[in-house]
Parts: sequence; C-alpha cells; structure tokens
Amino acid sequence: GAGVSQTPSNKVTEKGKYVELRCDPISGHTALYWYRQSLGQGPEFLIYFQGTGAADDSGLPNDRFFAVRPEGSVSTLKIQRTERGDSAVYLCASSFSSGGSDEQFFGPGTRLTVL
Amino acid sequence: GDSVTQMEGPVTLSEEAFLTINCTYTATGYPSLFWYVQYPGEGLQLLLKATKADDKGSNKGFEATYRKETTSFHLEKGSVQVSDSAVYFCALSPHGGATNKLIFGTGTLLAVQP
Repeated sequence: GAGVSQTPSNKVTEKGKYVELRCDPISGHTALYWYRQSLGQGPEFLIYFQGTGAADDSGLPNDRFFAVRPEGSVSTLKIQRTERGDSAVYLCASSFSSGGSDEQFFGPGTRLTVL
Repeated sequence: GDSVTQMEGPVTLSEEAFLTINCTYTATGYPSLFWYVQYPGEGLQLLLKATKADDKGSNKGFEATYRKETTSFHLEKGSVQVSDSAVYFCALSPHGGATNKLIFGTGTLLAVQP
C-alpha cells in the first residue's frame, strides 16, 4: 500500500515568507508526528497528533511554527516569517496507534531552504 | 531530559567485516529502543527494536540487545555487505506520558567497501 507522502519535496523561499508543508499519512494511522532534521543531525521531534488533536507540541521551537490535522488524516505544518535557521528537512511519520513501541513510518521529507 | 548518544562516523569497513555501532541512552523509566536506517536517497525506515530489558531485536542480519544495566543498545552485524552502506540512527521512545515521540541520536554513516 501507499506509504507516507509529503509535498512539496523541495521548497525554496525567502526570509520572512510564510510556508506550508503537507503530510499524507498511511490510511488508518491515528498517530502523526512531525520532525525536523538539520544537516548532519538526527531528526528532532516537533509535534505529535493523536487523531485531530495535538497531544504534544513541546518540540515546536517558537510561535512561528504551527500544525493542524483538522480531519484526523492529512496534516499541515505552517511556518510564519521564515528565518534562515529554519532551513532543514521536515519529516512526517505516522503509526497505527500511539503505543510507545509502535513502528513509525516516515515520509521522504520536505527540504526547506530559506534564502 | 531523555537523550541518545551514538558513536560518530563515518565508519568505513571492508565487505564481510564485523560491525559494531555503539549507542547509549539516558532516560527515566523503561523506554523502547530502536535502530532506524536511512539508505542513500531513501527515507528513514525501522531496522529493529526492543521494548524491554534483555530483549534482542534482529533484522537483516543485524542485532541489538537492550541492556538496562549499561543503558546501551549497540548495533552489530557479523558480516557487512556493500548494500549495508547507509546512515544508522539509534532512537528511544520514552515510557509512559502523553507522547510517543522518538528521540534520535546524531546518526552514524557506514560505508562498506568491496
């Protein structure tokens, strides 16, 4: 079946602009995660959704970052007033449930470049 | 807070050599432990996992044992192949709480030469 998909695969924007990154999880997966991976680093947790609600947003770096999942499926990560330091690969993952040992399936990521 | 430390790379080996990539963790309670792999041009995928002390995860010839006494989860393979060249990430998922986020190490690049 289809895996996790993310669009766009690449996004180049200018400092100060607004961007939206989209994630389509695997059908039937209730848990959805966003991570950010900077060059040479491991993924860093941003936010976790269980269904439509954000169960843990403790990883969002500041109030410029926001994410939604209005119908419990597709999620959008929104970044306002982008800064050069926001440049990274943004990864989305989903899992069937919220169990701590459940496998998270990752998408290919969106590479964001802020000029 | 919870964290994962893994050996820095790159690790360069000849085909059929023995592989060890060290991983240690700091966590409260009893986390689940994972190794994820990222092959060139591909997304992260789960390699193996262990959910409690003394569990051994295994897949594709790779093994790792959850050692609570040494807070370690070292990855091993007896005979590596060129196709194993990838970046390997050790990760933990904290026990309990409202989130099941993964906390990753910085990754170890493995390059296997023919």
